[in-house]
Amino acid sequence: DQQVKQNSPSLSVQEGRISILNCDYTNSMFDYFLWYKKYPAEGPTFLISISSIKDKNEDGRFTVFLNKSAKHLSLHIVPSQPGDSAVYFCAASGRGSGTYKYIFGTGTRLKVLA
Amino acid sequence: DVKVTQSSRYLVKRTGEKVFLECVQDMDHENMFWYRQDPGLGLRLIYFSYDVKMKEKGDIPEGYSVSREKKERFSLILESASTNQTSMYLCASSRRDIGGWQPQHFGDGTRLSIL
Repeated sequence: DQQVKQNSPSLSVQEGRISILNCDYTNSMFDYFLWYKKYPAEGPTFLISISSIKDKNEDGRFTVFLNKSAKHLSLHIVPSQPGDSAVYFCAASGRGSGTYKYIFGTGTRLKVLA
Repeated sequence: DVKVTQSSRYLVKRTGEKVFLECVQDMDHENMFWYRQDPGLGLRLIYFSYDVKMKEKGDIPEGYSVSREKKERFSLILESASTNQTSMYLCASSRRDIGGWQPQHFGDGTRLSIL
């Protein structure tokens, strides 16, 4: 039972355009969400987070949007750069997953074309 | 910066061997985690620990055990390695927060092959 889903395994975007990565969750008890970026042969690195009391959080070129009624979050990267090419994981935590634990999605591989 | 160090980047072992994967963090974090990453399955939690000598099962603990004798070190043990344990193993740590909202910091992973 996949509680956090990333339905697009891959995405290709032209350099300079917007990248939109999507994530859906099923557990309404989740109240904190994160995005991680992972390059090959490296561990995931924390990118941006959002708590359920907000619907948007911005950090430079990265913005995360949360739609609680739809149980959906998205990561927008504007403008996309070739160095953004990586696998992106969303993760969720809260009373539903147990203290300290995150449930990760399966990842979306983003390729930014120069 | 938080540093999480995994002892090996690549490891090749034989079926039936007992395998130890070591992880050390230098930020005095209370929580430590072991995941495995497989294509199409994302990151799956094997075990985690929220204090020295404390451990809890994650989603896929079968065939694994862990040890946390010191705060900075968390070991994953494959009691009798099998080919279906060939995977990328990732260790992570995080600061304790009552809300559980601290980001986890990951090591670079150990790619383990069981022949």
